[in-house]
Amino acid sequence: DTAVSQTPKYLVTQMGNDKSIKCEQNLGHDTMYWYKQDSKKFLKIMFSYNNKELIINETVPNRFSPKSPDKAHLNLHINSLELGDSAVYFCASSPSKTGATEAFFGQGTRLTVV
Amino acid sequence: GNSVTQMEGPVTLSEEAFLTINCTYTATGYPSLFWYVQYPGEGLQLLLKATKADDKGSNKGFEATYRKETTSFHLEKGSVQVSDSAVYFCALRTTSGGSYIPTFGRGTSLIVHP
Repeated sequence: DTAVSQTPKYLVTQMGNDKSIKCEQNLGHDTMYWYKQDSKKFLKIMFSYNNKELIINETVPNRFSPKSPDKAHLNLHINSLELGDSAVYFCASSPSKTGATEAFFGQGTRLTVV
Repeated sequence: GNSVTQMEGPVTLSEEAFLTINCTYTATGYPSLFWYVQYPGEGLQLLLKATKADDKGSNKGFEATYRKETTSFHLEKGSVQVSDSAVYFCALRTTSGGSYIPTFGRGTSLIVHP
């Protein structure tokens, strides 16, 4: 059983397209995140959802929108894709009641915009 | 705000050499500290953690001690193996807006040669 699963693993698309990445966790956590990892491996927090409420939204273009149909899912929608959106996107989850527990990560989605 | 500073890589070592990867942090409140490892093509996974001052986390021969007085959490291993080649991330969790948001360092790439 995969704790945090995201699909697809690879996504190649043309500029201007709209795409979605799905994420599901079966850990019962109430907080989920999306991170963007650039080519230098730097991890940037994009969104955090706690009990279906957006907690943070860093300086992310509004072309990116998180959608959480329920506590176990946090999908990422991207409109009008640009070349600079090419990166690896990671979904993660954690329980919010304690900071002592680590975040659990999915395997990542490598997005390539051509 | 919260931040984590790691030494820049890549760190290149021969097998059986001693490893140190430095990590210092700035945080409001009392954070928990983590080291994650990312193997090529994979997501991040927890390597070890410490939740209070002077705690030592350890796993797979790696160790790190939570030093509140120096705000540090340096990763060490006495004898590295080729299979330890990966990217290592120092991270912290604290409270922000009622949730616990992981903050990551930039990552340090480790390359171990036979």
